[in-house]
Amino acid sequence: DQQVKQNSPSLSVQEGRISILNCDYTNSMFDYFLWYKKYPAEGPTFLISISSIKDKNEDGRFTVFLNKSAKHLSLHIVPSQPGDSAVYFCAASRGEGGSEKLVFGKGTKLTVNP
Amino acid sequence: DTAVSQTPKYLVTQMGNDKSIKCEQNLGHDTMYWYKQDSKKFLKIMFSYNNKELIINETVPNRFSPKSPDKAHLNLHINSLELGDSAVYFCASSHWRSTNEKLFFGSGTQLSVL
Repeated sequence: DQQVKQNSPSLSVQEGRISILNCDYTNSMFDYFLWYKKYPAEGPTFLISISSIKDKNEDGRFTVFLNKSAKHLSLHIVPSQPGDSAVYFCAASRGEGGSEKLVFGKGTKLTVNP
Repeated sequence: DTAVSQTPKYLVTQMGNDKSIKCEQNLGHDTMYWYKQDSKKFLKIMFSYNNKELIINETVPNRFSPKSPDKAHLNLHINSLELGDSAVYFCASSHWRSTNEKLFFGSGTQLSVL
């Protein structure tokens, strides 16, 4: 029962180029979406989020786009830097309040080559 | 200062043994969680405690017993370990009913059952 899907297990890009990580979800009740970043031997850390009332949220080099009709969101990193190399988890929940029911995808490993 | 710390970082044990993983947070949060990342890389919630009370108990074998002696600690005890319990276990904490980005993770405990 994969409610949150990240179909690309890995992605490799050149430094300075754009990285686009994709995520699909199946539960139409989800209304809050997040991206977490995870380095090896560390726990995931919050990166950026978006509410379903928006279709775009930007924070510096990171932008998340939400397409509710397609049940699809994407994370854009521009420009990509070697320090961005990590595993990126997409997550979704019902309601902004309460972290108790975050559903995570399997993650996409991003490698940014110098 | 580590915000969410869990010990041990690695745990290798034989089938049938009983083991515990400890977690402590110094963020002043009132809610703590255990997540499991299995071999398929999904990060799934197991338990959630708010003010020492069990809030979420997903479909987890009763061999897993969380214990929260106070708001800053949530330990996970596992009885009669099985091969399928091998995974990375992440502790996390947040304020109850906070926006989801306030979920802070520990660095994980890699459990290997031989």
